[in-house]
Amino acid sequence: QQQVKQSPQSLIVQKGGIPIINCAYENTAFDYFPWYQQFPGKGPALLIAIRPDVSEKKEGRFTISFNKSAKQFSLHIMDSQPGDSATYFCAARFSGSRLTFGEGTQLTVNP
Amino acid sequence: DTGVSQDPRHKITKRGQNVTFRCDPISEHNRLYWYRQTLGQGPEFLTYFQNEAQLEKSRLLSDRFSAERPKGSFSTLEIQRTEQGDSAMYLCASSALDRGDYGYTFGSGTRLTVV
Repeated sequence: QQQVKQSPQSLIVQKGGIPIINCAYENTAFDYFPWYQQFPGKGPALLIAIRPDVSEKKEGRFTISFNKSAKQFSLHIMDSQPGDSATYFCAARFSGSRLTFGEGTQLTVNP
Repeated sequence: DTGVSQDPRHKITKRGQNVTFRCDPISEHNRLYWYRQTLGQGPEFLTYFQNEAQLEKSRLLSDRFSAERPKGSFSTLEIQRTEQGDSAMYLCASSALDRGDYGYTFGSGTRLTVV
């Protein structure tokens, strides 16, 4: 009930491509859905987040699409760059402020 | 204030020893969180504080783990009688939830290796 399932586990795209990372959840008590980016040796950094009453949110090259009925949300990275190569985590806020994270997607953007 | 600071960055300890990590949150953030991350996995929640009060602890936090946040500022996480399974990255994060800011700011973590 508290799990967030993320796919794919790894993703390789060419520069300029649009990688899409998907997450699914079960617990309807989740009320806040952020995406984090993590580089090796660093802590996760907040990229973008969405509340369940919104179906899409864009910030720069990053877009979250949210489907409340399907209990799914996804991250799209427009015009991807080699500097976007990192591990991406989706998460969901549960019962207060605790975040439950997905398993992560290792993204590689080739030049 | 440059963000969430964690010390030390790396710790190698022998099995059975006690270790303590420190986290200094962003000064205006009243909530502080501890997470554990193993290689190839997402962070797992351990515990969180609002000011000096510890509001929630995960089942992952065995009796060997204890966290404190005296005076609602910095926090310490202590692991007693370390085991090899404790080897992980320990992440601290802070937020200002009462101002509607749900976004966590994470530190760079303390990597613990138990040998």
